[in-house]
Amino acid sequence: GQNIDQPTEMTATEGAIVQINCTYQTSGFNGLFWYQQHAGEAPTFLSYNVLDGLEEKGRFSSFLSRSKGYSYLLLKELQMKDSASYLCAVSSGDYKLSFGAGTTVTVRA
Amino acid sequence: IAGITQAPTSQILAAGRRMTLRCTQDMRHNAMYWYRQDLGLGLRLIHYSNTAGTTGKGEVPDGYSVSRANTDDFPLTLASAVPSQTSVYFCASSDSARGDYNEQFFGPGTRLTVL
Repeated sequence: GQNIDQPTEMTATEGAIVQINCTYQTSGFNGLFWYQQHAGEAPTFLSYNVLDGLEEKGRFSSFLSRSKGYSYLLLKELQMKDSASYLCAVSSGDYKLSFGAGTTVTVRA
Repeated sequence: IAGITQAPTSQILAAGRRMTLRCTQDMRHNAMYWYRQDLGLGLRLIHYSNTAGTTGKGEVPDGYSVSRANTDDFPLTLASAVPSQTSVYFCASSDSARGDYNEQFFGPGTRLTVL
């Protein structure tokens, strides 16, 4: 089976940095995705990691360690619009993704 | 049409009724998926299709059926709805020709309430 864990909620102040951790135990591994989902909307793609290391994309960065089954999403210079749920998803073959339950980030002024 | 569309946007349904949720994509993606999203449980895969004419069961397939007659459409049917099927349903698609890079694109969702 697939087991993907991430914290339920995080709160941070506008302008700060927040790190959302994701640990996984899956039967296969073909890459890890992070999605952003605003309340009442569809998930949208943020990042993809398949090799160990850090991928940077503007204010957002994602890190992967395959040997540790660990990833994190780093959100810098937080803005109010970053208040959303962040979903960690593992691709483990057969074109399917397994999702964690999501981390709700609340940005306070 | 741009991307993925779903219909209806929301629906209130009496228990025991039959309901089909519609999903159409115009990106010519081979693979399509149906998820349900419940508070605290995240996105759970119901059924998927890797290519037109084939379907497979996901994590929570009971009470649901799908068909994939062509590339663009992937309807989800609840044969006899029960209250536990109250959820938000998302359809998604991906380009399976890209191999392991399985970025999925999501429709806007259908909010279904079964009373």
